[in-house]
This record gives sequence, C-alpha cells and structure tokens, in this order.
Amino acid sequence: SAVISQKPSRDICQRGTSLTIQCQVDSQVTMMFWYRQQPGQSLTLIATANQGSEATYESGFVIDKFPISRPNLTFSTLTVSNMSPEDSSIYLCSVLAGGLNTQYFGPGTRLTVL
Amino acid sequence: AQSVTQLDSQVPVFEEAPVELRCNYSSSVSVYLFWYVQYPNQGLQLLLKYLSGSTLVKGINGFEAEFNKSQTSFHLRKPSVHISDTAEYFCAVRAGQAGTALIFGKGTTLSVSS
Repeated sequence: SAVISQKPSRDICQRGTSLTIQCQVDSQVTMMFWYRQQPGQSLTLIATANQGSEATYESGFVIDKFPISRPNLTFSTLTVSNMSPEDSSIYLCSVLAGGLNTQYFGPGTRLTVL
Repeated sequence: AQSVTQLDSQVPVFEEAPVELRCNYSSSVSVYLFWYVQYPNQGLQLLLKYLSGSTLVKGINGFEAEFNKSQTSFHLRKPSVHISDTAEYFCAVRAGQAGTALIFGKGTTLSVSS
C-alpha cells in the first residue's frame, strides 16, 4: 500500500489567484495522478504525472491552467492557476502501487474560490 | 474507450436490510474493477477489487462483489447494512494493461436509516 499526504487540506482563495497543492507519498512510485471532484460529483482525471516526463492531460484540461511538477518519485505538485469559482472542488492525488494494479488516494485538498 | 455506469444515484435502505449497488462497465479489452467508499468529509478508501481469478470478491466491512463478464457487471452487495455504512460508493474500472488511471462512475449514495 501507499500512504499519501496532501497540503493544504483546504483553502479559500480569491478569484484570479493561483494555488499550489503538494502531494507526498511514503514510498517511491512511478505513476501519479491528479483528480478533481466537483461538489456532489464523481472523480474526473486531470492528468497523469510520471517522473522525468511531461504530464499527460485529459481532454478539457490544459497545462496553462493546471501546471504539474514531478521532481522525484515521492512528490508532485498541482497548481490551479487564475482561479474562478468554477474551480471550487476537491483535488486528489493518487498513486499506483501493489504491482501497478491498485490505486491509492490522498485525503484531498478542498478548494473554495470566492 | 472504457466507461462505468452506476445505475442508481441514491439507494435508501433500513438498517439490517440487504443492499445491492449496481455497476456496469464497457470495455473492449480485459478489465480490472474496483469499488471505493467515501464517508462524509473523508477521502476515498478501497473496498475491494477484481483483478483475476475467482469472480466473487470479498472486501472490507462485509461487502462483496461479483464480476460477471457476460453481463459486464460488477455489483456490490452486503447482506445486512449498518448505519455506519452510510456513504458514497464509487465503482471504477481500469482497462487493458496495468499502469493506466482509473475511470470512475458517478457514484451511489447509500443512506441507511433505523
């Protein structure tokens, strides 16, 4: 298994600003993912972040809005740029472990944009 | 492309009654299937998973699910629910080779009352 922590756990931000969310894993993992969970909705994959390569974004998500860093095998950041109220969501970091078959999730970062 | 359909958005049941949460998937390749639970204001927790082998999978908290390839289903069951089972339940699929991100269904809210 993998233990994942995220910082901050929650934040309230003003429109037009940016927030960087950190994800720390207790073991080295190759594949890391970022998801968004809008209020009352399911999880939507934002991007896949592998160490040593550019993140791969899903349809509807772009690097300018959600830049991702993956400097090593235990850490990643997701930045939500130029925020608007529509960005209010829970952002979750996730990793593959257990032979690349099981996905574990961090506790999430609850973002509110005013 | 793969997809997941959770047929019921809300399932209200009384305590000690049996429950079934339905999940259907579509994929042209072999799949790995998962159920996650999200308690109010908490992160995602893995309930159970089907990777291969026996089609009946047992998970935590007395839940089980059965993989039915011909019906492309992976329904979650519990013979007797408790108030503490009240939560959001997500079915998820990974198709093809290991190392790709999970795709989630929209979720089912299980509400257990006395």
